[in-house]
Amino acid sequence: SYELTQPPSVSVSPGQTASITCSGDNLGHKYASWYQQKPGQSPVLVIYQDTKRPSGIPERFSGSNSGNTATLTISGTQAMDEADYYCQAWDSSVVFGGGTKLTVL
Amino acid sequence: QVQLVESGGGLVKPGGSLRLSCAASGFTFSDYYMSWIRQAPGKGLEWVSYISFRGSSLSYADSVKGRFTISRDNAKNSLSLQMNSLRAEDTAVYYCARDFAIPAAGESHFDYWGQGTPVTVSS
Repeated sequence: SYELTQPPSVSVSPGQTASITCSGDNLGHKYASWYQQKPGQSPVLVIYQDTKRPSGIPERFSGSNSGNTATLTISGTQAMDEADYYCQAWDSSVVFGGGTKLTVL
Repeated sequence: QVQLVESGGGLVKPGGSLRLSCAASGFTFSDYYMSWIRQAPGKGLEWVSYISFRGSSLSYADSVKGRFTISRDNAKNSLSLQMNSLRAEDTAVYYCARDFAIPAAGESHFDYWGQGTPVTVSS
């Protein structure tokens, strides 16, 4: 079965750029989506179709997808961005990455 | 505005059954695929099942295949998940999510999620 691999944790200083990767076989030929989940809350879609931002998602969130890796980039990271982030793709069925805990310190 | 409200979760013994429901509002329910996604305590997201616009296409994760059944009632704007032969490893928060799915294009993403309903399987 298809697998998506994310680093368990990423740390970033406030105001800096955070990059969270998601790796999967030939992922660049699939659509990748990204979700943010804060403690005790439901996930929120922040990027879909590799690069698109839903309405209401700040411009500092961006995405890319090429080769075997999709990347979520958060520019000018703020304390409020501290959360778990999950990538997701479709390969015969829905697949989620294991999640990355983003720490802003 | 789009709202998804799950209900039906609770404590059940191993081998027991539970039926989850999701009430949808604020959008044309029959225009969207719908999915159930779960999250075990302290763990990541796991997709469980999806159902197509009118229910003609269903899919399940291997971990629940043969035990769970997804269904929908477009007249009532509701989604259901019948869970049988429950196991301890089914313990999780279960989310209902609107699925912007285009399987032919290899596209699926979840643009709205409910608040989740907890299911605990324990003796």
